[in-house]
Amino acid sequence: GQSLEQPSEVTAVEGAIVQINCTYQTSGFYGLSWYQQHDGGAPTFLSYNALDGLEETGRFSSFLSRSDSYGYLLLQELQMKDSASYFCAANSGYSTLTFGKGTMLLVSP
Amino acid sequence: DAGVIQSPRHEVTEMGQEVTLRCKPISGHNSLFWYRQTMMRGLELLIYFNNNVPIDDSGMPEDRFSAKMPNASFSTLKIQPSEPRDSAVYFCASSLGLHEPRNEQFFGPGTRLTVL
Repeated sequence: GQSLEQPSEVTAVEGAIVQINCTYQTSGFYGLSWYQQHDGGAPTFLSYNALDGLEETGRFSSFLSRSDSYGYLLLQELQMKDSASYFCAANSGYSTLTFGKGTMLLVSP
Repeated sequence: DAGVIQSPRHEVTEMGQEVTLRCKPISGHNSLFWYRQTMMRGLELLIYFNNNVPIDDSGMPEDRFSAKMPNASFSTLKIQPSEPRDSAVYFCASSLGLHEPRNEQFFGPGTRLTVL
């Protein structure tokens, strides 16, 4: 089985940088994904790390360290629209995802 | 493409009634997933189909839940009989499966189920 731990809530102000951490314990692991979910909406894919290191996509970056069973999502130049829940998810070899409980990000003016 | 389509968007029913949730995956996707989301338990995988075949149903909570995928463009999740603790948002998602190195899953808008 797999379990993932991430903070339940993070707050920040517009323009700031925030990092959401995720640690995982798995019996089989192929990579770490990140999804965003706005209140009342559906999860949407943000990024995927199969290898150690940093992946950058615009204002968002994601990092993975397999040796530490650890990853993070970095959000830069925060905007009000970034207020949402962010989920890390572990990929198994059967294309399935096991999601963490999610981190609610609240961006204030 | 219209994305993953789910119906109904909202369902209110009484305990003991049968509930059927429907999903149309994105055309060309060969993997389909049913998830349940609650505040307490988060986003849980219920069942996973690949090429219309159930691969992993270990997340199905009990025998009251069943899922089918009769063809590549349609899947159902049925709860019979329903109980108040089944109240949740049920998401269907699809992906290219093993052909998608990022395993990106595309989620439908969800069905909000309330069992009274």
